[in-house]
Amino acid sequence: DTEVTQTPKHLVMGMTNKKSLKCEQHMGHRAMYWYKQKAKKPPELMFVYSYEKLSINESVPSRFSPECPNSSLLNLHLHALQPEDSALYLCASSQQGALGYGYTFGSGTRLTVV
Amino acid sequence: GESVGLHLPTLSVQEGDNSIINCAYSNSASDYFIWYKQESGKGPQFIIDIRSNMDKRQGQRVTVLLNKTVKHLSLQIAATQPGDSAVYFCAETRNTGGFKTIFGAGTRLFVKA
Repeated sequence: DTEVTQTPKHLVMGMTNKKSLKCEQHMGHRAMYWYKQKAKKPPELMFVYSYEKLSINESVPSRFSPECPNSSLLNLHLHALQPEDSALYLCASSQQGALGYGYTFGSGTRLTVV
Repeated sequence: GESVGLHLPTLSVQEGDNSIINCAYSNSASDYFIWYKQESGKGPQFIIDIRSNMDKRQGQRVTVLLNKTVKHLSLQIAATQPGDSAVYFCAETRNTGGFKTIFGAGTRLFVKA
């Protein structure tokens, strides 16, 4: 299995809702990442997990809450989002969180906040 | 601030021609660079990488060149095909107490048949 699987593919949520994005990989990768991508823009790093521990938080608002239950799973819990949070949310993994390891990306969850 | 950027936002080439996509970076401490391809509706796909102790690396139909003197990175695609049409991002991995990869602005490549 050489894929990163993200669910759901599309999500529409209201500003008072609570939802979660899920990401799964079975490549034995020990680093996992969340990126946010707006239309016609590059992916922007949100969080880095290394060996199931949060190692980088790029000053992301607390309405986004990451969780890494085990080495194969990464979640992003969403609460009280704003319309400007609408974007493509990409999950990625790499063998290690170090130099020399390219990322494998999932296809993303397209989130619309209404 | 420091950034990874691209000289050309769009590039249109004829099928069969060679393509060159350029990227400038400003963080001289960067140690590792990657090119990603992103097709519509998909996540970025790893193409080729290069470490800062190298100046050239070749893959299948692709070559990455790194010029640390002028902080410039380029991706060369030989015999460009319609399937190469996509947005290409250069990315830079930095160690800031944790390793993170920062993406440049992207170049859209159009391949004309």
